[in-house]
Amino acid sequence: AQSVTQLGSHVSVSEGALVLLRCNYSSSVPPYLFWYVQYPNQGLQLLLKYTSAATLVKGINGFEAEFKKSETSFHLTKPSAHMSDAAEYFCAVSDHSSASKIIFGSGTRLSIRP
Amino acid sequence: DVKVTQSSRYLVKRTGEKVFLECVQDMDHENMFWYRQDPGLGLRLIYFSYDVKMKEKGDIPEGYSVSREKKERFSLILESASTNQTSMYLCASSLYKASTNEKLFFGSGTQLSVL
Repeated sequence: AQSVTQLGSHVSVSEGALVLLRCNYSSSVPPYLFWYVQYPNQGLQLLLKYTSAATLVKGINGFEAEFKKSETSFHLTKPSAHMSDAAEYFCAVSDHSSASKIIFGSGTRLSIRP
Repeated sequence: DVKVTQSSRYLVKRTGEKVFLECVQDMDHENMFWYRQDPGLGLRLIYFSYDVKMKEKGDIPEGYSVSREKKERFSLILESASTNQTSMYLCASSLYKASTNEKLFFGSGTQLSVL
């Protein structure tokens, strides 16, 4: 079965600093990969997804992620953090063994210091 | 925009009670999902459905059942609630059953406390 591992349950950065949230996947076939964000007291919403069209994927709110097959990684980055980026971020992978099933990582809480 | 509506934001139930969590989507999506979200564990899939009256077990189906009598509505049922089912429950939907890269649309969640 496919899975994702998010390194670091909590990341804290200063406003204006680089944001780097790590995600590694395990898959025997090329996966579909996603990043979702959950703002306080809200459901999850899609930030971006990788579907093999391009290895660098741009998402909403200035976030992007790069698919690196050699490292089995799909890390999320943003050049300059904003206070409004404080949220929980989830990496997810599509499970090819069952159409439509998506497996989520354990999440990383991002805090922004003024 | 797609709207996924969960009937309750907060719910408090007693151990042993039968609990129904309701979810409705308004965009004719084929797939619907129930996840539970626990700190440090992320989202875990309980059940999903890709068609009316169809259901498939997710990773943690024990203690739960589901019902999908109409395309827009997907219910999660706790037959006899237990304290270890205290959690945030998230409903989601996506458009096509045959696709594995579909975006999920989530409801706001139901925080269930079982006392």
